[in-house]
Amino acid sequence: DQQVKQNSPSLSVQEGRISILNCDYTNSMFDYFLWYKKYPAEGPTFLISISSIKDKNEDGRFTVFLNKSAKHLSLHIVPSQPGDSAVYFCAASGRDSGNTPLVFGKGTRLSVIA
Amino acid sequence: EPEVTQTPSHQVTQMGQEVILRCVPISNHLYFYWYRQILGQKVEFLVSFYNNEISEKSEIFDDQFSVERPDGSNFTLKIRSTKLEDSAMYFCASSTRQGNQPQHFGDGTRLSIL
Repeated sequence: DQQVKQNSPSLSVQEGRISILNCDYTNSMFDYFLWYKKYPAEGPTFLISISSIKDKNEDGRFTVFLNKSAKHLSLHIVPSQPGDSAVYFCAASGRDSGNTPLVFGKGTRLSVIA
Repeated sequence: EPEVTQTPSHQVTQMGQEVILRCVPISNHLYFYWYRQILGQKVEFLVSFYNNEISEKSEIFDDQFSVERPDGSNFTLKIRSTKLEDSAMYFCASSTRQGNQPQHFGDGTRLSIL
């Protein structure tokens, strides 16, 4: 059961350049999407989210793009910094409610090289 | 910034023993969740809890599992008779009542069953 897929297990980017992390989903009932960042020995930290009524949401260096027809979302980090090195999880939920289980992807490990 | 806190950070238990994992959600949040991540696998939803009752649960959350909010601040996950395959990181999360709101996670409890 892979409703949320992150096909790249790892990504290396030079400091200052753009990092693009991708996520695909299969369930057309998903209507809210989130990105979390996770450092070792810590829990997932919420980064940014997007509702299905939008196609872009921006917060500082982080922008999430949603392509509903392709069932694809991406997270852009620009400029990338060494402190961004972490595992990034894409997650999705299926109803317009605060009480909804999140379905996670397997994560992409981002390494930002100084 | 308010955060979800979990104790203990690491729990080692003999197979067949009962274990209780504890969480203090963010104080103004009304929805509470437990997730787990087996080593090398995805973060998986276990259960959600609202208004002192279970709202949703996954197939993983069988009769060996229970949740409780014993007072106004704590939220606990009990595993009655632990099995080797219960070894995992267990994450507690909470969210506000409004729809399409992110869930905020604690740093997890690493449960090791011997």
